[in-house]
Amino acid sequence: GAVVSQHPSRVICKSGTSVKIECRSLDFQATTMFWYRQFPKKSLMLMATSNEGSKATYEQGVEKDKFLINHASLTLSTLTVTSAHPEDSSFYICSAPQAGGIADEQFFGPGTRLTVL
Amino acid sequence: AQKITQTQPGMFVQEKEAVTLDCTYDTSDPSYGLFWYKQPSSGEMIFLIYQGSYDQQNATEGRYSLNFQKARKSANLVISASQLGDSAMYFCAMRGKNRDDKIIFGKGTRLHILP
Repeated sequence: GAVVSQHPSRVICKSGTSVKIECRSLDFQATTMFWYRQFPKKSLMLMATSNEGSKATYEQGVEKDKFLINHASLTLSTLTVTSAHPEDSSFYICSAPQAGGIADEQFFGPGTRLTVL
Repeated sequence: AQKITQTQPGMFVQEKEAVTLDCTYDTSDPSYGLFWYKQPSSGEMIFLIYQGSYDQQNATEGRYSLNFQKARKSANLVISASQLGDSAMYFCAMRGKNRDDKIIFGKGTRLHILP
């Protein structure tokens, strides 16, 4: 199946710094990508829809100035957590449907575990 | 608005037995898709099975089958002949009719397979 990668897989940063997480579709193009966050033992919560060439669509309650999303190409979306605080510590997962593909599934990245000290 | 409900936070099942994980949903869209994903402790999301709302047949994928009852808005996952490796978190999810529509997830069911 199609592959989605995320980088980094783990990141530890100090409070107040910004962290960038990359999501790449390795063998297919994705005009749309999705960003989720997951707290321990909880479900995936959709944060935003990343749209190639246009602004991201954020879910209600998600601060767009805190979680900056850029979808610069058909294979790359980035999530930047700005001025990170300990409460931003979470597991961040991206996903992408395969544009033009026949599969009905969405392909998920392996996730990025963010720890803010 | 779409909503997914999984009422079983945790389940314990003996190895080799069949197990049913419950999922009900709510949507006003006439066309939608339903998914089940497995998430082991490593965190990766593993796609298991998909059911389209207009599919006539219940979806099956190896040991996984989806018991789709549209009138009752339920989409239960059935795992036959459970294995120790099936121990994981299982999420039911829903998407609109288009492949680019967002997916929303239920709260999940933690499945423990006992030897």
